[in-house]
Amino acid sequence: GAGVSQSPRYKVAKRGQDVALRCDPISGHVSLFWYQQALGQGPEFLTYFQNEAQLDKSGLPSDRFFAERPEGSVSTLKIQRTQQEDSAVYLCASSGWDQRETQYFGPGTRLLVL
Amino acid sequence: DQQVKQNSPSLSVQEGRISILNCDYTNSMFDYFLWYKKYPAEGPTFLISISSIKDKNEDGRFTVFLNKSAKHLSLHIVPSQPGDSAVYFCAAGSTLGRLYFGRGTQLTVWP
Repeated sequence: GAGVSQSPRYKVAKRGQDVALRCDPISGHVSLFWYQQALGQGPEFLTYFQNEAQLDKSGLPSDRFFAERPEGSVSTLKIQRTQQEDSAVYLCASSGWDQRETQYFGPGTRLLVL
Repeated sequence: DQQVKQNSPSLSVQEGRISILNCDYTNSMFDYFLWYKKYPAEGPTFLISISSIKDKNEDGRFTVFLNKSAKHLSLHIVPSQPGDSAVYFCAAGSTLGRLYFGRGTQLTVWP
């Protein structure tokens, strides 16, 4: 497949559990973004990588959220001690070298925290 | 604060007619703009974009207009088709890379 893939597609977690969400960007894409989309809202920026470097993490809502991209390809978004307000769709997008290049989105991971 | 606003949560249009979706922004630093289309349980799909150096970009049935002085852009779909029914998101970006999204407009195209 040529597109961005994300796994799992759905995740149910009990409050307090840790979760890890995976993103496989389009092959060769240098830039990778994570967004959070709450119900009825547009996607909200979380963090941005260029290759393995995390250049912007200003959107991460708390220190319970952590993202990594150790080899400049696959990325993982980790949420520790999940809370009910973390319930949302987590979207990953990738793009080429220029920050103005179009971002292509994956299908998202729908997280429900009970 | 919402830097990108889509003030119409929904729009209903008859098949064959024009659909016009509107978007306003507040940040003068934005220099490129995109429209995404989203079906339920899928990620946003890129539709069309425009750079701030242009005022119009066209791709088939889709045209985006940019009015920088008014900080306003619009997406025109002509003719509208039932398969166009989806949520449309306006997004804006700058050299920082991150995109700012509006809350979306649900377009329904009825036969």
